[in-house]
Amino acid sequence: DTAVSQTPKYLVTQMGNDKSIKCEQNLGHDTMYWYKQDSKKFLKIMFSYNNKELIINETVPNRFSPKSPDKAHLNLHINSLELGDSAVYFCASSQESSTDTQYFGPGTRLTVL
Amino acid sequence: KQEVTQIPAALSVPEGENLVLNCSFTDSAIYNLQWFRQDPGKGLTSLLLIQSSQREQTSGRLNASLDKSSGRSTLYIAASQPGDSATYLCAATDSWGKFQFGAGTQVVVTP
Repeated sequence: DTAVSQTPKYLVTQMGNDKSIKCEQNLGHDTMYWYKQDSKKFLKIMFSYNNKELIINETVPNRFSPKSPDKAHLNLHINSLELGDSAVYFCASSQESSTDTQYFGPGTRLTVL
Repeated sequence: KQEVTQIPAALSVPEGENLVLNCSFTDSAIYNLQWFRQDPGKGLTSLLLIQSSQREQTSGRLNASLDKSSGRSTLYIAASQPGDSATYLCAATDSWGKFQFGAGTQVVVTP
């Protein structure tokens, strides 16, 4: 049983396209996150949702829009993809607040050509 | 703004040796500090979480210490094994619940 799953695992697309990455957790957690890991392996938080409500929104382009249809899902939609968006995107979840242990998904490697 | 640094960036040791990984943070007002392991092509696995009120946490061969006053955390892995080869990341959480990750230490344990 996968606790935090992401689809797709790999995504290769052209500049200017719109794409979505899906995340689901079956841990019954209330909080979910999106992180971006760049080529230097730095992990940066992008968004955090608690019970479907946005609680952390770091400075990311508004081309990135998270959507949480229910507390088990947090999808990331990206409009007008740019070369600099190429990275590995990780979804994570935690029981309640951001200060609890976070469980990470396997990541989605996005390559923008 | 919190900055988290991990030194060294890479480490190679023979099997059986103890590993010492360092993590430093600039803002001591952290809520907790977490150590993760990342295997190539896979997600992060949480190893240990130390609350700000704690000095250390232990799990099996792993021990993590936290010294808020000096802005440091150290992860010790006893009697390293080839299966310990991975990248280890530390992350400091502030009172707002935001994580700040270090760049990681890439560990190779040779048989």
